[in-house]
Amino acid sequence: DTGVSQDPRHKITKRGQNVTFRCDPISEHNRLYWYRQTLGQGPEFLTYFQNEAQLEKSRLLSDRFSAERPKGSFSTLEIQRTEQGDSAMYLCASSLTGHEQYFGPGTRLTVT
Amino acid sequence: DQQVKQNSPSLSVQEGRISILNCDYTNSMFDYFLWYKKYPAEGPTFLISISSIKDKNEDGRFTVFLNKSAKHLSLHIVPSQPGDSAVYFCAASARVNDMRFGAGTRLTVKP
Repeated sequence: DTGVSQDPRHKITKRGQNVTFRCDPISEHNRLYWYRQTLGQGPEFLTYFQNEAQLEKSRLLSDRFSAERPKGSFSTLEIQRTEQGDSAMYLCASSLTGHEQYFGPGTRLTVT
Repeated sequence: DQQVKQNSPSLSVQEGRISILNCDYTNSMFDYFLWYKKYPAEGPTFLISISSIKDKNEDGRFTVFLNKSAKHLSLHIVPSQPGDSAVYFCAASARVNDMRFGAGTRLTVKP
């Protein structure tokens, strides 16, 4: 099965440390999305790539957040100087059409 | 701003009966609507979608109804099965790549 995969599944870090997450989309999907989900809420859009170009960023994506998608394949999301408020589930999704998006299992970040 | 609202945080139904999950939206520019299902420790799984040019879309046991005048959509599951127990998210988009989610409804189907 070649669904969306994310690594790591869980990350515990101390406040102030940098973390990086990886997402591998479905191979034929050229669109890739990052979302954040907190308890009791639905996913909130962070950023979107079409191939290697980052076309949209939410205002939720502060300067401490950066995302890349080199060569239009996998993507990384880095959070610098983590804060306790960054604790959440970070979800990656990919899509062929832009409408139906297929999600990975997520990376749960805990900042202590 | 909460443009997509799921006002029922939970719903419990008996196996074999109908489950009806509701969703309201405020943005009249939304033209595509989706339902996702989420099990614990997994990402959301796409279930069914509907374009604003339709008022009903059916896929097996799942039917989505759209009432544009009321800005309301619903997901009907019939018959409900214990394996349908999950959190269901309603989502809507006004343009491709801009999807907004509701907070989810936890469905429990009792055997």
